[in-house]
Amino acid sequence: RKEVEQDPGPFNVPEGATVAFNCTYSNSASQSFFWYRQDCRKEPKLLMSVYSSGNEDGRFTAQLNRASQYISLLIRDSKLSDSATYLCVVNPGGGADGLTFGKGTHLIIQP
Amino acid sequence: GAVVSQHPSWVICKSGTSVKIECRSLDFQATTMFWYRQFPKQSLMLMATSNEGSKATYEQGVEKDKFLINHASLTLSTLTVTSAHPEDSSFYICSARDGKGLAGTGELFFGEGSRLTVL
Repeated sequence: RKEVEQDPGPFNVPEGATVAFNCTYSNSASQSFFWYRQDCRKEPKLLMSVYSSGNEDGRFTAQLNRASQYISLLIRDSKLSDSATYLCVVNPGGGADGLTFGKGTHLIIQP
Repeated sequence: GAVVSQHPSWVICKSGTSVKIECRSLDFQATTMFWYRQFPKQSLMLMATSNEGSKATYEQGVEKDKFLINHASLTLSTLTVTSAHPEDSSFYICSARDGKGLAGTGELFFGEGSRLTVL
């Protein structure tokens, strides 16, 4: 089983729609979770951290289910500029460990 | 936010040559930097953890003699791909943690990446 698994997509959705991505992770001891955004041929950039209680940042909502080892990202009122690859990222342990990345879900917002 | 600069952005070299990639934290000190590699349509894979003043820690399957890492100062880590071959062609990205907040929870910032093409 892959450490961090995501549906690669692509997800083609019309502008203004709501879209949700899911991610599962295999290491139950994982301590912190993130969603990163990566544009084509660019470096990943942090979109938001994911907290156990769930958290929201504008149009973006992230949720974590530790029991099911499942993370989600919801984007409301999608914009053309939201087109990118969204990476589910897990820190398998505390301290200075490198992060484990999913392959990413490719999102295309259509006008 | 914190800035991590990577150089060069693009490099094309002949098979058998060595290529050095630099990663600098511009406005913070990074005792630990990470080097990742990303092949097309694949996830970022951690290659090694670079520790200032000590030897790097390599992930399983990464040849330490082929991918030389030097972290001589708190703001600079270098990755040298020695005797590069076409299969080493990839997108190499470094990252550093800014150290804010609790240990290990500071945001990870990425360099712009270096795209290596070996002919």
